[in-house]
Amino acid sequence: NAGVMQNPRHLVRRRGQEARLRCSPMKGHSHVYWYRQLPEEGLKFMVYLQKENIIDESGMPKERFSAEFPKEGPSILRIQQVVRGDSAAYFCASSPILGQVSRGSGNTIYFGEGSWLTVV
Amino acid sequence: SQKIEQNSEALNIQEGKTATLTCNYTNYSPAYLQWYRQDPGRGPVFLLLIRENEKEKRKERLKVTFDTTLKQSLFHITASQPADSATYLCAPSNAGNNRKLIWGLGTSLAVNP
Repeated sequence: NAGVMQNPRHLVRRRGQEARLRCSPMKGHSHVYWYRQLPEEGLKFMVYLQKENIIDESGMPKERFSAEFPKEGPSILRIQQVVRGDSAAYFCASSPILGQVSRGSGNTIYFGEGSWLTVV
Repeated sequence: SQKIEQNSEALNIQEGKTATLTCNYTNYSPAYLQWYRQDPGRGPVFLLLIRENEKEKRKERLKVTFDTTLKQSLFHITASQPADSATYLCAPSNAGNNRKLIWGLGTSLAVNP
């Protein structure tokens, strides 16, 4: 998972505050994915983005959560008015354009080290 | 609905033995199946990808099989080492649909020296 950079690694927010998580994809990758991992649960897909486009946000909660991947700069996952249930590890992953050769294949995604959000 | 099942019990084995982890899926016909390793506090790391037309794939001490009839993948680590201790995740996927990988909960492997 070298190359996908996430920050902050750890974030503590009080209930009602906003959390912003940043992700810079691996060099040469144009697709970004956000996943959430709750304690004792598996990785859950949240959103899939390309530059300036949200391709699939079917895993995003309807309220308070948003994501963007601007033309310049990292992808941002934004959680407004955080609640205790938002406490989780948020992983960003990236992949090259489908069909291009990569270490695995065009269908392999590469993860960052995660951002651990704690809501107190 | 699509469901991925991995050994829920932690697997404890002695160093040098072969570890075998199971991934079963239902209501799904994946074109690919990927295996990742996750260490505590870290992100998943890609290990191997196997396609539906491949029965077996190897990489160093790792071997993955993919039986589309049984709807099962087996992940083997031969000559296991304590450094192999981690949680192993499987993720079947359809062609071109990697963005919505559905993940198993993972199997925790502990290799005892």
